[in-house]
Amino acid sequence: EAGVAQSPRYKIIEKRQSVAFWCNPISGHATLYWYQQILGQGPKLLIQFQNNGVVDDSQLPKDRFSAERLKGVDSTLKIQPAKLEDSAVYLCASSLEGFNEKLFFGSGTQLSVL
Amino acid sequence: SQKIEQNSEALNIQEGKTATLTCNYTNYSPAYLQWYRQDPGRGPVFLLLIRENEKEKRKERLKVTFDTTLKQSLFHITASQPADSATYLCALNTGGFKTIFGAGTRLFVKA
Repeated sequence: EAGVAQSPRYKIIEKRQSVAFWCNPISGHATLYWYQQILGQGPKLLIQFQNNGVVDDSQLPKDRFSAERLKGVDSTLKIQPAKLEDSAVYLCASSLEGFNEKLFFGSGTQLSVL
Repeated sequence: SQKIEQNSEALNIQEGKTATLTCNYTNYSPAYLQWYRQDPGRGPVFLLLIRENEKEKRKERLKVTFDTTLKQSLFHITASQPADSATYLCALNTGGFKTIFGAGTRLFVKA
């Protein structure tokens, strides 16, 4: 079974630039999550999709972050404009059901904002 | 305020011993709790889930306990091996669709 695919693996940008991350979940997984993990901390949920609808985006900084999940499959997360404090690993995860059980994570995109 | 606490200090143990990691929480009543393993540069990997009506769950060398009175979960790795060295994350379901992760505890197993 193929895992959760994410790209790019690494990204370095300057502050105020924009960046986009892509995620392809495990086939058949209805729920997709984007997490932000700052060094030394646990993952923090940014947004959760059930199929192509948003379930929770309460911690997404909507003035600069946006995400979409077209056709209920793959997803993109965008930051525009980036700030220094956005430097983190952005993890995508998927799960079979919508109850946050047994999440499958991708390897993440490590973002450095200079 | 709501908090999840995992020991921020790394745990160093000798190969063959049992490693015990702790997850404490306050002001939550989780329906279930999960443990994940995370290696450097990788995403977390699901290990075990225990529900509020379960006291203990086992999988191979892993054992998880869940005490809703103490608001604590213990994660045990028996007969530990150097390959078990990683960061272990505790994750609580806080009701509905929300899951909160702790900061994790780093485990080092020395040969």
